Amino acid sequence: EVQLVESGGGLVQPGRSLKLSCAASGFTFSDYAMAWVRQAPKKGLEWVATIIYDGSSTYYRDSVKGRFTISRDNAKSTLYLQMDSLRSEDTATYYCARPSSDWDNFDYWGQGVMVTVSS
Amino acid sequence: DIVLTQSPVLAVSLGQRATISCRASQSVSISSINLMHWYQQKPGQQPKLLIYRASNLASGIPARFSGSGSGTDFTLTIDPVQADDIAAYYCQQSRESPLYTFGAGTKLELK
Repeated sequence: EVQLVESGGGLVQPGRSLKLSCAASGFTFSDYAMAWVRQAPKKGLEWVATIIYDGSSTYYRDSVKGRFTISRDNAKSTLYLQMDSLRSEDTATYYCARPSSDWDNFDYWGQGVMVTVSS
Repeated sequence: DIVLTQSPVLAVSLGQRATISCRASQSVSISSINLMHWYQQKPGQQPKLLIYRASNLASGIPARFSGSGSGTDFTLTIDPVQADDIAAYYCQQSRESPLYTFGAGTKLELK
C-alpha cells in the first residue's frame, strides 16, 4: 500500500524558514518524480514544485522560485521542501503527492501538513 | 499559464445526475490525448484521483463517476449522486507538465 506521510509543519514568523518532510513507502521511491501541492484555507489546490526521480531536475511555480527548494533522499525514501523567506500568503496545508509514471496526474497524496506564517 | 474555470457550487438531489464542468483557457489535448484529470476532496481529507486523461476511471472509483470532453471543455458526471459524493471536485491539466494548474473547484451540495 502506497503511503505518504508529511511532517514538519507549524507556526512560523514572516521571513523565517521551515522544512517539510514526506516519508514514502509501499512503492519504489527512486522510480518516481515527486511533488508538493498546497491549499490555502478555504481555497483551491495549487501546485508548488516537482522533482524528477533522481533529483537532477526541479520545477517551481513562479511565486516560490528562489525561496523554496525541493529535494529528495532516495536512500531514505523521503521528499523535502525547504521554505525560506516565508510570507503570509504561503499559509496553507502542504500535500506531498506522487505524479503518475507519465507525469499526467497525482495518483497518491499524503494527508497534508499545515504551515501558518504569522507574527 | 493555462487557466481552468469551474463553477463554484452545484446543488443536486440524491439519486439525480450531477454534471460538473471545467473550461480551459487553451486546449489541453495533444493528438487526441486529453490531458485533463479530476479529483474529489472531502472536508479535512486529501484529494483523491477520480478520472485521468478526461475519461479513464482511476483504480477503485465507482462506475457512477465518468468523464468526457476534449480541447477546452470537460465534464465530470456523477450518476446517480449518493450522499457520500458530497465534496469538492477539482479539475487539473497536465498539458504544461510539469507546470500543473488546478481549477478553483466545484462544491457539490444537496438541494
